[in-house]
Amino acid sequence: AQRVTQPEKLLSVFKGAPVELKCNYSYSGSPELFWYVQYSRQRLQLLLRHISRESIKGFTADLNKGETSFHLKKPFAQEEDSAMYYCALSNTGNQFYFGTGTSLTVIP
Amino acid sequence: DAGVTQSPTHLIKTRGQQVTLRCSPISGHKSVSWYQQVLGQGPQFIFQYYEKEERGRGNFPDRFSARQFPNYSSELNVNALLLGDSALYLCASSLEGGGYTEAFFGQGTRLTVV
Repeated sequence: AQRVTQPEKLLSVFKGAPVELKCNYSYSGSPELFWYVQYSRQRLQLLLRHISRESIKGFTADLNKGETSFHLKKPFAQEEDSAMYYCALSNTGNQFYFGTGTSLTVIP
Repeated sequence: DAGVTQSPTHLIKTRGQQVTLRCSPISGHKSVSWYQQVLGQGPQFIFQYYEKEERGRGNFPDRFSARQFPNYSSELNVNALLLGDSALYLCASSLEGGGYTEAFFGQGTRLTVV
């Protein structure tokens, strides 16, 4: 069975500080890992995905297959990063399984 | 492009009633998936349809059903509503039915069962 775990429901950091949102997963096959973000009053949207290996809005995520983790990192948090972040895995059938989300607040 | 559109945005139903939610995918997208998001939780997979066929079903009771039409739009039906069905229902569309493609989400339908 697939499972995505985000241990922190709430995370607060000061502007300019580094931020790391944790994500661990379990899946028997070869999943693709994603981070989705939901800004206030907006729809859920893709932030980044492992397969593209891009850095979006300064965020990066490294897939560690040994630790089955896909933590999201940014070296210097900005106020506009305040949002709800969901880690998700997708199977080959494009069905997504989400974690419970982490609400990030960047304090000015 | 208007993105994925869902209707209605909000509705209130009584226990035991039936409800139909609608979704129009992004033009050219052939796959539609439905998710249930209960307050404080992440979206939970309900169904996936591709080219009008069911490709996947999550761990939901038979009271939940869905279909996809020739124009790739989709409906989610829930029968015999329970209070626990109160949630935000999200529709997502993808270009294809597999291959780890990105899912684009709608704004959701907020269902309240009283």
